Amino acid sequence: RKEVEQDPGPFNVPEGATVAFNCTYSNSASQSFFWYRQDCRKEPKLLMSVYSSGNEDGRFTAQLNRASQYISLLIRDSKLSDSATYLCVVILSGGSYIPTFGRGTSLIVHP
Amino acid sequence: EPEVTQTPSHQVTQMGQEVILRCVPISNHLYFYWYRQILGQKVEFLVSFYNNEISEKSEIFDDQFSVERPDGSNFTLKIRSTKLEDSAMYFCASSDQLNNEQFFGPGTRLTVL
Repeated sequence: RKEVEQDPGPFNVPEGATVAFNCTYSNSASQSFFWYRQDCRKEPKLLMSVYSSGNEDGRFTAQLNRASQYISLLIRDSKLSDSATYLCVVILSGGSYIPTFGRGTSLIVHP
Repeated sequence: EPEVTQTPSHQVTQMGQEVILRCVPISNHLYFYWYRQILGQKVEFLVSFYNNEISEKSEIFDDQFSVERPDGSNFTLKIRSTKLEDSAMYFCASSDQLNNEQFFGPGTRLTVL
């Protein structure tokens, strides 16, 4: 089983739509979780951290479900500029702090 | 806003040659990282560095790779004898604390011919 799994998409949505992505992780000792966005041939840029209590930043909401071992990202009122690949990043705890990236979910927002 | 910088943006080299990729992390950060991303694939962790020594490394980071912080600002990745399969985008990142958010540089695209 892959350590961090994401649906590659693409998710093709109209402007203004609400879209949600999930990311599952296999290791229950995972401690830290992040969402990054990556534009084509660019570096990953931090979107938000994912806390146990959830995290909201404007149109973006991230949630953590430890029992089911997944994190989610909800984007409301999608903009054309939201088109990108969204990367899930998981860091284990307990001695090994190697960040593991998912392959990313591609989002295309069209007019 | 402070940012991570990397040079060069693109490096072309012949197989078997040594390359050094350079990074300047955010100035008050203490943890430094190198990642690679082969075209069309996911970002892969190579190595983390703290307090002038390697703290973690992946299976990819074999004897051909080394890292160094030669002075107070630069952080380098050396590949001693490049292979065709080393062709990838190499990203440097830094964070202020372990497990905190990492900030990435714009990357160096390495092409091995």
